[in-house]
Amino acid sequence: EILLTQSPGTLSLSPGEGATLSCRASQSVSRSYLAWYQQKPGQAPRLLIYDASSRATGIPDRFSGSGSGTDFTLTISRLEPEDFALYYCQQYGSSPRTFGQGTKVEIK
Amino acid sequence: QVQLQESGPGLVKPSETLSLTCTVSGGSVSSGTYYWSWIRQPPGKALEWIAYISYSGTTNYNPSLKSRVTISVDTSKNQFSLKLSSVTTADTAVYYCARHPRIVQGPFDSWGQGTLVTVSS
Repeated sequence: EILLTQSPGTLSLSPGEGATLSCRASQSVSRSYLAWYQQKPGQAPRLLIYDASSRATGIPDRFSGSGSGTDFTLTISRLEPEDFALYYCQQYGSSPRTFGQGTKVEIK
Repeated sequence: QVQLQESGPGLVKPSETLSLTCTVSGGSVSSGTYYWSWIRQPPGKALEWIAYISYSGTTNYNPSLKSRVTISVDTSKNQFSLKLSSVTTADTAVYYCARHPRIVQGPFDSWGQGTLVTVSS
């Protein structure tokens, strides 16, 4: 099973600032089959990024993903008020599919 | 646009079996394009994939839960279901149903809203 470790646990930032979220895998993620999701309280996760760097339909271009192998990054270029939420990475290159423990982006 | 909706009891007693159903609308579980999954999230904790099933009944289970989980599909009702036996308080969670591509590996691209199941006597 691939263990995903996200850092930091919490990111305190102001609207307009940039955010960099990290996801490190315990072993190489096959074909960069890594996704990022955004989750707000009481809601289901929403797909942001798949295949490490492809934006899902309707996702603003301020969200970008990068990385390969064991190190992946989600970057939010300029935080909008609606971006303050919980973010999870998830690998789907091997079974079982696993999620990171999440990074909370909160308003400073 | 596909929509998924979970349903089932919100309260289950310890040692009993948790049963949930996901109803798909705006799409078909008979589509060979997708796998249909269950995922859960204990309060304040991370997400955990439980199992998936295809329209033809091909299944895959998370080894951590495999001994207690059964997933099934009913194409006539456009539904798929989850049974988790011998539940304990550790199984208290929001349970989501979701889909992901079958032909080429893909992420969970559509989710239900989730349903909270509490295990308590």
